[in-house]
Amino acid sequence: QSALTQPASVSGSPGQSITVSCTGTSSDVGGYNYVSWYQQHPGKAPQLMIYDVSHRPSGISNRFSGSKSDNTASLTISGLQAEDEADYYCSSYSSSSTPVVFGGGTKLTVL
Amino acid sequence: QVELQQSGPGLVKPSQTLSLTCAISGDSVSSNSAGWNWLRQSPSRGLEWLGRTYFRSKWYNDYAISVKSRITINPDTSKNRFSLQLNSVTPEDTAVYYCARGVYNWNNQMTCLDHWGQGTLVTVSS
Repeated sequence: QSALTQPASVSGSPGQSITVSCTGTSSDVGGYNYVSWYQQHPGKAPQLMIYDVSHRPSGISNRFSGSKSDNTASLTISGLQAEDEADYYCSSYSSSSTPVVFGGGTKLTVL
Repeated sequence: QVELQQSGPGLVKPSQTLSLTCAISGDSVSSNSAGWNWLRQSPSRGLEWLGRTYFRSKWYNDYAISVKSRITINPDTSKNRFSLQLNSVTPEDTAVYYCARGVYNWNNQMTCLDHWGQGTLVTVSS
């Protein structure tokens, strides 16, 4: 059972926007602005898409954005494209026994 | 451009030791602002952080409680790489293993994992 809670799946049509939620506690998501999001295509390693809640690494499309409210972080993908179909994982710094915790992942289907 | 290249066997017998290496290019294992992590991913356990090594005037290691009695992560400064050893493996250790670079803030908190190795599927089976 993952420390952070994500929906198992979301879907959207090309051009639409979707949002993936990630719920934690005050020991991780709610206590620190160190939420990150990773995209993973089948058979590939995770790729950092968002760090520090809302910052994009160089080369990541501005269609990807992040936010946080209390113990829940969100990833929004606007202008959905077929290439966005992948699994998305949230992660957070944690003050618990491990320095980083993950969500269980959300499978995005582009219809 | 940071790149991490993993190597090691994909099949390990039960009770034996799993050993993987992660070669670093574009950064140094002795960096004072990064940390070097091992994680694994399986359908049953999801993404799981296993441990890390990092240098801040001296070497530090942290390990996940779930594997603390069986794991060792070592830096190799001569070859700019770091390694994972997991002892006494069982079929439950079957997973894709990743190495990854951790980014740290001013307070030495790891804020994200910005570069990942390609992943190694390790199967524990006789």
